[in-house]
Amino acid sequence: DIQMTQSPSVLSASVGDRVTLNCKASQNINKYLNWYQQKLGEAPKLLIYNTNNLQTGIPSRFSGSGSGTDFTLTISSLQPEDFATYFCFQHNSWPLTFGSGTKLEIK
Amino acid sequence: QVQLKESGPGLVQPSQTLSLTCTVSGFSLTSYHVSWVRQPPGKGLEWMGVIWTGGSTAYNSLLKSRLSISRDISKSQVFLKMNSLQTEDTATYYCARGGYFDFWGPGTMVTVSS
Repeated sequence: DIQMTQSPSVLSASVGDRVTLNCKASQNINKYLNWYQQKLGEAPKLLIYNTNNLQTGIPSRFSGSGSGTDFTLTISSLQPEDFATYFCFQHNSWPLTFGSGTKLEIK
Repeated sequence: QVQLKESGPGLVQPSQTLSLTCTVSGFSLTSYHVSWVRQPPGKGLEWMGVIWTGGSTAYNSLLKSRLSISRDISKSQVFLKMNSLQTEDTATYYCARGGYFDFWGPGTMVTVSS
């Protein structure tokens, strides 16, 4: 199984900050990496699919990059509603696997 | 408007079988496949399995021996059955649409306890 490792596990930041979340796959997953945002008590929400494609309705302050095994999610200017947990997800190989998440909290 | 909604028993006794239903609207099960994903309290997400548009299925190998996914196209429903439940199966269970999981149900919490 492909292991997805996210770092950091917790990130403290302030409104207006630029932040970068990392996701590393244990083997090559090409471009098949998605990012989801999950708020407490809610279902995950798709932000980015296939590394760098912004899902409809998601603000342009979110962007994704990477290839192969190393991927990043960047939020260019944090807004209050962005404080949540973020999961990466690979859909290149079976079984599909998620990272363990990065919790983005207010500093 | 695309919607998915999970329903189920809430509480299941150890060793028993879990049966969940995902009712979808706004799209056809012959056009999009549907996956099940679960999340234990305070933990991460685990992909469980998928039913494809043609009706075939694929499962997480860790759960394959206990898990079955089926559907009723006429009712726009996808079903999950998992047997031999243990306390570690306590989780919120979600259904999600397509290859990108672009839409999710709100989830249904299942507690395994006697």
